[in-house]
Amino acid sequence: EVQLVQSGAEVKKTGESLRISCKGSGYNFANWWIGWVRQMPGKGLEWMGVIYPGDSDTRYGPSFQGHVAFSVDTSINTAYLQWSSLRASDTAMYYCARIYYYDSNKFFDSWGQGTLVTVSS
Amino acid sequence: SYVLTQPPSVSVAPGKTASITCGGNNIGTERVQWYQQKPGQGPVLVISYDGDRPSGIPERFSGSKSGNTATLTVSRVEAGDEADYYCQVWDSSTDYLVFGGGTKLTVL
Repeated sequence: EVQLVQSGAEVKKTGESLRISCKGSGYNFANWWIGWVRQMPGKGLEWMGVIYPGDSDTRYGPSFQGHVAFSVDTSINTAYLQWSSLRASDTAMYYCARIYYYDSNKFFDSWGQGTLVTVSS
Repeated sequence: SYVLTQPPSVSVAPGKTASITCGGNNIGTERVQWYQQKPGQGPVLVISYDGDRPSGIPERFSGSKSGNTATLTVSRVEAGDEADYYCQVWDSSTDYLVFGGGTKLTVL
C-alpha cells in the first residue's frame, strides 16, 4: 500500500526557518515525482511545485518560486519542503502527494495527511 | 496560465443526482481529474483521465466532458458525499498542475 506520512503541526514566528517532511512507503520512492500543495485557511488547493527524487529535478509554481525550496533524501525515502524566512501569509495546511505521470497526464494519486503550519508575529 | 472555473456551491437532496462542472479553454483536449476533500481531511482522487474511477471509489461517481466543460456526476447522493470537490488538469505547455477553485457539495 502506498503511504505518504507527513511531519506534525508547526507553530513558528515570522522570519523563522522551517522544514517539514513527507515520508513515502509502499513503492519505489526514487521513481515517482512528489508534489506539494498549499491550502490556506478556508481556501482551495494550490499547486506549489514538484520534485523528482531520483535526481532532485525541481519545478516551482509561479507563486512560490524563490520563497520555498524542495529537497529529498532518498536514503530514507523522504521529501522536504523548506522556508528560510516565514511570513504570516505562509499559515496554511501543506500536503505532499505522489504524482502519476503517464500518457500525457499528471495528477496526484496518493496524498499525505497534511502538515498545518501556523506563523505569527 | 490555464484557468479552471467551478461553481462555488452545489446543493442536492439525498438520493438525487449532483452535477459539478469545471470549465476551461480547450479542456476537451486535456485529461481531467477530480478530487474529493471532506471536512478536516486531505484530498482523495475520485476520477482520473476524465472518467476513470480508482479502486475503492463507488460507481456512483462518474466523470464526463463536453465542449469546454468537464462534469463530475454523483448519483444517489448520500450524506457522506458532502465535501469540497476540485477538478485538475496538467497544463503541458507550462508543466503546471492546475486546480479549479473548488465546489462545496451540500446534501440537504
